[in-house]
Amino acid sequence: GQQLNQSPQSMFIQEGEDVSMNCTSSSIFNTWLWYKQDPGEGPVLLIALYKAGELTSNGRLTAQFGTTRKDSFLNISASIPSDVGIYFCAGQMEGTYKYIFGTGTRLKVLA
Amino acid sequence: DGGITQSPKYLFRKEGQNVTLSCEQNLNHDAMYWYRQDPGQGLRLIYYSQIVNDFQKGDIAEGYSVSREKKESFPLTVTSAQKNPTAFYLCASSFGTKETQYFGPGTRLLVL
Repeated sequence: GQQLNQSPQSMFIQEGEDVSMNCTSSSIFNTWLWYKQDPGEGPVLLIALYKAGELTSNGRLTAQFGTTRKDSFLNISASIPSDVGIYFCAGQMEGTYKYIFGTGTRLKVLA
Repeated sequence: DGGITQSPKYLFRKEGQNVTLSCEQNLNHDAMYWYRQDPGQGLRLIYYSQIVNDFQKGDIAEGYSVSREKKESFPLTVTSAQKNPTAFYLCASSFGTKETQYFGPGTRLLVL
């Protein structure tokens, strides 16, 4: 099945730094979702985006729905140790039921 | 508290054995889903159900079966036909198939 290109695959950053990650697709999506997954746990929804160009924040997290509708971005400001985990994007193509998931960005924060 | 529960947390399967993973939700969601997660890969859809007594195959349905007799429950059976069942299995639900999906805590299946 189709998968999204998510980058970077992994990141090691210092506590307090900002983080950026993105997902790109060859298909146009009408919804983008961003999830965080801790080891051995289910993904937890962080931000949902429904319109091209939409910029939505959730605390220190900000996500944007790309204007081409083929990409999305997630930024984390002033990272803290509990930000460690795997961040997934998911996109839903217009007229379909299915969400396509990225392969994840593994974030590690060094105190 | 509303949410999605999955049980057991860990499950061990012997060769040739069928095992059933439980998924229950009290969010009043109509749609439910089963995904498989393998290291380094995105989630892959096994089966989904839009309403009670109806379900559809996803991308990797071979070797799996489901039922949807109640709105709250969507159990997944991993049959002996699934030759590589070791994975992390995630159940999700949503109000409709075009709505945001929420995930349960997952079940890790291991083969003895």
